[in-house]
Amino acid sequence: EADIYQTPRYLVIGTGKKITLECSQTMGHDKMYWYQQDPGMELHLIHYSYGVNSTEKGDLSSESTVSRIRTEHFPLTLESARPSHTSQYLCASSEYGQGVRNQPQHFGDGTRLSIL
Amino acid sequence: GNSVTQMEGPVTLSEEAFLTINCTYTATGYPSLFWYVQYPGEGLQLLLKATKADDKGSNKGFEATYRKETTSFHLEKGSVQVSDSAVYFCALSQGGSEKLVFGKGTKLTVNP
Repeated sequence: EADIYQTPRYLVIGTGKKITLECSQTMGHDKMYWYQQDPGMELHLIHYSYGVNSTEKGDLSSESTVSRIRTEHFPLTLESARPSHTSQYLCASSEYGQGVRNQPQHFGDGTRLSIL
Repeated sequence: GNSVTQMEGPVTLSEEAFLTINCTYTATGYPSLFWYVQYPGEGLQLLLKATKADDKGSNKGFEATYRKETTSFHLEKGSVQVSDSAVYFCALSQGGSEKLVFGKGTKLTVNP
């Protein structure tokens, strides 16, 4: 059973729309991440957060933005969707603190986004 | 920088066959190593991990040993099942960031 939830699971929407992908976790994890997964399966980190009010760009440049106002919530927003944004987006979280270095990340089931 | 190279797929096996998926890494120091599995239509699940040299991670019949001398973390299973069909990702993390570096994934199909 998942302790990290992503909604919607699937979204098909037209070009130019504003989109928010939701991600929530109930584990109290400080660290959260967004990955973009291309059709070839490769995963690219696009955003991450160390905690409330912390957001950082990932390894792959993305036109999306994120916010972290609450520990459990890490939404991703696209202000104006384009076909090039079509992809699967995976959210993850991990524990952080003394003695818990390199803890595994827990993933949601993903949002499959299609922009027409 | 850190990187992970894993064997390219797809891999197709018959049920009860032996599985090896190779994974090698490049990193400074002592990274933690992970195997994740992604079943169709789902997110990634942690399959097993190892945090120091010579550690063996194991779960659901899968095993991988952290080999620092060969910088490898190969995934093995003695007898695969149809339900093991999925994409397998090798990954490492280092330092306090918990950022994961993933391999490109290997798709496994097991036929009855």
